[in-house]
Amino acid sequence: QTVVTQEPSFSVSPGGTVTLTCGLTSGSVSTTYYPSWYQQTPGQAPRTLIYSTNTRSSGVPDRFSGSILGNKAALTITGAQADDESDYYCVLYMTPGIWVFGGGTKVTVL
Amino acid sequence: QVQLQESGPGLVKPSETLSLTCTVSGYSISSGYFWGWIRQPPGKGLEWIGSIYHSGSIYYNPSLKSRVTMSVDTSMNQFSLKLSSVTAADTAFYYCARITYATNWFDPWGQGTLVTVSS
Repeated sequence: QTVVTQEPSFSVSPGGTVTLTCGLTSGSVSTTYYPSWYQQTPGQAPRTLIYSTNTRSSGVPDRFSGSILGNKAALTITGAQADDESDYYCVLYMTPGIWVFGGGTKVTVL
Repeated sequence: QVQLQESGPGLVKPSETLSLTCTVSGYSISSGYFWGWIRQPPGKGLEWIGSIYHSGSIYYNPSLKSRVTMSVDTSMNQFSLKLSSVTAADTAFYYCARITYATNWFDPWGQGTLVTVSS
């Protein structure tokens, strides 16, 4: 069974840049997996950041960007702010009609 | 503005069936989109449970398929989840969400509801 992998945690300084990745235990992530990214703070429902690899959801600041880096999907936060401290989840679309979430990355801003 | 709201019992006994409903406002379910359920055990990650189209096309997580049933009630603008033979491992926050199938993303999400499995 293919598992979607994410780094368990990352730390970034205020104003710094961090890139989170979303990979597969078997194979490479491409745009055909329609990677999307979600931000979740404690006690809240997930909030959509990026869909279809690199399209920002409405209202999402442009410091969040999505891409494919090598064989993984990536979420980059440029100019990190204190309120970016959250859990970040990617999800990949595995045809036909199956979605698989990564385990999530906890981002600390300090 | 599309909004989703989960409802159902917050406590279910082991071996019984968990039943939840997601009520959609601001959009007619029968107009399109897939509609999905996602869960999150306290302190853990997200898990996709299943997705349903208003016409009845359904996809389930293979790891839960034997215990999951989803349905749509277009007259009430709701969709539902049933999970049978629950154990403590099914204790989780349960979220419903709209899924844009062409680009395969989840938005918006409901606020979530905690279901605890305990005797």
